[in-house]
Amino acid sequence: QVQFVQSGAEVKKPGASVKVSCKASGFTLTSYYIHWVRQAPGQGLEWMGIINPSRGSTTYAQNFQGRVTMTSDTSTTTVYMELSSLRPEDTAVYYCSRGRNDPVTGYSDFDYWGQGTLVTVSP
Amino acid sequence: DVVMTQSPLSLPVTLGQPASISCRSSQSLVHSDGNTYLYWFQQRPGQSPRRLIYKVSNRDSGVPDRFSGSGSGTDFTLKISRVEAEDVGVYYCMQGTRWPRTFGQGTKLEIK
Repeated sequence: QVQFVQSGAEVKKPGASVKVSCKASGFTLTSYYIHWVRQAPGQGLEWMGIINPSRGSTTYAQNFQGRVTMTSDTSTTTVYMELSSLRPEDTAVYYCSRGRNDPVTGYSDFDYWGQGTLVTVSP
Repeated sequence: DVVMTQSPLSLPVTLGQPASISCRSSQSLVHSDGNTYLYWFQQRPGQSPRRLIYKVSNRDSGVPDRFSGSGSGTDFTLKISRVEAEDVGVYYCMQGTRWPRTFGQGTKLEIK
C-alpha cells in the first residue's frame, strides 16, 4: 500500500536549518513527483514546492526561494526538504505528498500524504 | 498566483442535514489539456489532509457517496448530502491547474 513515513518532530533555534525526510513505499517513486506543504498552528495549508525524484529537478514557491532545498535519494526512496534561516513563523507541521502527470488522465495531486513533521522554532 | 476563496469559513450543521461549501478561483481552472484540476480535501482534527474529490467531481476510493463535487470555470461546490459526526473537520479546496498550487483558506465544519 502507498505510504509516506516522515521523520520525527524537531525543535530549532532561530537562524538554524532543519531537514525533514519522507520515506516512500508501495509505489514507484520515480513515476511521481513529491510535493511539500506546511501548516502553521491553527492555520491553513501552504504549498512549498515540488521535486521530481527521477530527475532531481525542483520548483519552489516564491515565498521559500533561497531558503528551501528539496532533494531525493532514489536508492532509499526517500525525499528530503531542508529549510534554512529558520524564524519563529516557520513553526509548522510539514507534510509530503505525491503527484503525477499521466499522459492519458492528466494531473493527479495529493492523493496520499505523510503523517506530518512538527518543526518548532523557538529561542 | 491563483487565489482560492472559500465560503463560509465556519459551517455549523445539524446531524443528518445537508452542507455546502463554495470555492471560487481568481482565474479559470480549465487547463490547456481540457481538464479542470479542482480538488477537495478533508482534514479531521489531528490528522493529515485526505483527498476527497479530484477534477471537480470525481470521488476518491473509499469516500462516501454523500460527498459530491460540482462546478466549472471559477465556481465550485462541495456538498455533503447528510452530515455525520465523522465529517467534523476543516475542508479545503485546491487548484492544480497552475503553478504554484494554491489552497483555499479552509471551512471548519462543526456539529450544532
